[in-house]
Amino acid sequence: GAVVSQHPSRVICKSGTSVKIECRSLDFQATTMFWYRQFPKQSLMLMATSNEGSKATYEQGVEKDKFLINHASLTLSTLTVTSAHPEDSSFYICSATIIPGQGAQETQYFGPGTRLLVL
Amino acid sequence: EDQVTQSPEALRLQEGESSSLNCSYTVSGLRGLFWYRQDPGKGPEFLFTLYSAGEEKEKERLKATLTKKESFLHITAPKPEDSATYLCAARVSNSGYALNFGKGTSLLVTP
Repeated sequence: GAVVSQHPSRVICKSGTSVKIECRSLDFQATTMFWYRQFPKQSLMLMATSNEGSKATYEQGVEKDKFLINHASLTLSTLTVTSAHPEDSSFYICSATIIPGQGAQETQYFGPGTRLLVL
Repeated sequence: EDQVTQSPEALRLQEGESSSLNCSYTVSGLRGLFWYRQDPGKGPEFLFTLYSAGEEKEKERLKATLTKKESFLHITAPKPEDSATYLCAARVSNSGYALNFGKGTSLLVTP
């Protein structure tokens, strides 16, 4: 099946620094990717929709100046957590949807996630 | 407000003991009901997409069904390797292709 990769898989940083997370679709083109955040024992919460060649759409309560999203190509979206603080520590997961042809099944594939720990 | 609720929160089964997980949804304009499996520290792994009431899909020991208000994930004769968190999610008409997730059911299957 389709594969979505993320890099890095885990990162530890000091408070106040910025962290960039990459999300790649490896064997398909994705005009739209999604960024989710998951806190321990919680479900996935949508942060933003990343659109290739245009600005991201952020969910209510997500600071767009803090979580910068760039979707520079059909296979790469990046999330930069700027001036990270301990409360930003979480599991960040990206996804991409393959929009099927007629009769096929729509599938949204998720990356393996990036564990961010801000000290 | 769109809501997806899963029950039970946690389930412990003995190997071979069949059961069902529930996902009830209150959404405006369901465009798809998704089931995923998530292992600790990993991203969700796609299982099924259901689109209309009455639809069923199967994969190995898993079968997903959909009604107008809820979806069930039936696990037949589970094995320890089926232990994971199972997530359901709804795609709704005003959210593009983004998914609205439930909190998941943590399944533990003991030998």
